[in-house]
Amino acid sequence: DGGITQSPKYLFRKEGQNVTLSCEQNLNHDAMYWYRQDPGQGLRLIYYSQIVNDFQKGDIAEGYSVSREKKESFPLTVTSAQKNPTAFYLCASSQGLAGGETQYFGPGTRLLVL
Amino acid sequence: QQQVKQSPQSLIVQKGGIPIINCAYENTAFDYFPWYQQFPGKGPALLIAIRPDVSEKKEGRFTISFNKSAKQFSLHIMDSQPGDSATYFCAPSGRGGSYIPTFGRGTSLIVHP
Repeated sequence: DGGITQSPKYLFRKEGQNVTLSCEQNLNHDAMYWYRQDPGQGLRLIYYSQIVNDFQKGDIAEGYSVSREKKESFPLTVTSAQKNPTAFYLCASSQGLAGGETQYFGPGTRLLVL
Repeated sequence: QQQVKQSPQSLIVQKGGIPIINCAYENTAFDYFPWYQQFPGKGPALLIAIRPDVSEKKEGRFTISFNKSAKQFSLHIMDSQPGDSATYFCAPSGRGGSYIPTFGRGTSLIVHP
């Protein structure tokens, strides 16, 4: 089955700790995205990548970092600089960035602060 | 600047009712108008989408109506069912500098049995 997998489903972060959220896709899509979702809010873009070894900041990149070493993988690190990390994190992919394309989402990772 | 305004924020209907969710946009470069459906604790999934060359598209009980001059598109759910209870997002996008979708804030729909 083609799709996007995210792990873990739940993640707990201690004060001052960096944590990494995994995102893998087997859709052979070029573009990948990370969104943050807070209760009652829409989806806010953190980072996106169009090709391997290249990525761009979204609207709320501060306190986050990403890498794109392989086409199918786009991990997100929530650093200790992100003071309010509790949220639902969604990874998505699309064929490319030509515009007007469907985004395919993973099941999400819920990050909680201890 | 809020480019996409989605309304209402929440909606409660009885089974069989026809909830309507609206999305108003400002960017005239948008040329793809999708609605995503999200169930609690899950990722969103494409429900239905329209291109600006048509004014209406139906897929089963779901209909998108598109008004280019008003810069607005709407989702209609015919004969709504309790299983339609979810959050719905509009997320228009286009070419050039607007290729990243702009998500609305979402509409929480509850369909009572």
